Amino acid sequence: DVKVTQSSRYLVKRTGEKVFLECVQDMDHENMFWYRQDPGLGLRLIYFSYDVKMKEKGDIPEGYSVSREKKERFSLILESASTNQTSMYLCASSLNRGGYGYTFGSGTRLTVV
Amino acid sequence: GNSVTQMEGPVTLSEEAFLTINCTYTATGYPSLFWYVQYPGEGLQLLLKATKADDKGSNKGFEATYRKETTSFHLEKGSVQVSDSAVYFCALSERGDYKLSFGAGTTVTVRA
Repeated sequence: DVKVTQSSRYLVKRTGEKVFLECVQDMDHENMFWYRQDPGLGLRLIYFSYDVKMKEKGDIPEGYSVSREKKERFSLILESASTNQTSMYLCASSLNRGGYGYTFGSGTRLTVV
Repeated sequence: GNSVTQMEGPVTLSEEAFLTINCTYTATGYPSLFWYVQYPGEGLQLLLKATKADDKGSNKGFEATYRKETTSFHLEKGSVQVSDSAVYFCALSERGDYKLSFGAGTTVTVRA
């Protein structure tokens, strides 16, 4: 069964810490995405990558960066965590453009205290 | 820009009741439309999709029809079960685009 695996289910970090969220897919997909999910706001795109070492800003990139050194791995980095970054973070991958064939990970619930 | 508006929840139903979740969209081109479902503790899964006007997507007893004239893609199920309790997201993607744009999500709880 194809999978998108997020390294942590729950994380608690302190304000100002540098935080790494890891995502690995085993489907040889070209495209990978990071979304955050907040009640009443749905999913909002933070960053995406359509190829190794390529990245594009999504709708809410401020306070985040990403890294994609290998095709299967896409990391989200919070340079200096703040309490307003407390959220559920979802990673996804897809083979093609056009919204088809998205596969999501189970999510990482990050709490910044 | 693109946007998706879906009815606010939460929605609470009894088993075998009829479910409708309204979804309308704004897009600059000719988007594909999707419904995703998120069961408790899990990531999102594709429930159904439609790629052009008047297409009907269907899966697991759920249906939605792409209505270009009303820019809508309402989700319906004739008889819900407790196992349908989940958060439902309407989404769109423009052709050739990488990204999905999501609505706010509607939480549905079905009681036995």
